[in-house]
Amino acid sequence: GEDVEQSLFLSVREGDSSVINCTYTDSSSTYLYWYKQEPGAGLQLLTYIFSNMDMKQDQRLTVLLNKKDKHLSLRIADTQTGDSAIYFCAESNWSGGYQKVTFGTGTKLQVIP
Amino acid sequence: GAGVSQSPSNKVTEKGKDVELRCDPISGHTALYWYRQSLGQGLEFLIYFQGNSAPDKSGLPSDRFSAERTGGSVSTLTIQRTQQEDSAVYLCASSLVIPRGRYTEAFFGQGTRLTVV
Repeated sequence: GEDVEQSLFLSVREGDSSVINCTYTDSSSTYLYWYKQEPGAGLQLLTYIFSNMDMKQDQRLTVLLNKKDKHLSLRIADTQTGDSAIYFCAESNWSGGYQKVTFGTGTKLQVIP
Repeated sequence: GAGVSQSPSNKVTEKGKDVELRCDPISGHTALYWYRQSLGQGLEFLIYFQGNSAPDKSGLPSDRFSAERTGGSVSTLTIQRTQQEDSAVYLCASSLVIPRGRYTEAFFGQGTRLTVV
């Protein structure tokens, strides 16, 4: 079945770049996503990438996809204290006639002022 | 409403009692998902609805868990004879059902924090 793995914790200093990594197992994934969860809140979509792309940039966010290694990363440039949150990697694929989204365990990003 | 609404936001219950958690998806969203988030565990898929039917119930952890959806809208997740290990945040998400291979975004509610004492 589908499996998505992430490291549980990352700590960076304000102003540095953060890189959050994710590996997945399903080679038929259509889209890969990064969601952000702030304390006490639900998940919000940050960005996504189609599986035939290698890279996507959106302001301070850069998503890199290595489809061969099934590795996805999220780079946050100039990390701010407001970026402190849990970041979830997710992949979607079609299973049994519907799109199923599988999430990773989440990486808690701590930004030190 | 504009977003996915879940109620209650917090629920404390005694071990052995039944609980019902409610999800109001975004209007027009045919797909509805329930997930469970335990401390340090990430998101665990529970069940998926397409309209009123549930083609994938594979994530329900035991027969104490059930869910239904009526009118293609509101969904209720019921946990019978709650156990302490059921304590978690239960998240609901909804999305449009779109043609195969197209992009879709899942919109999440704030979750219900369930504590079984």
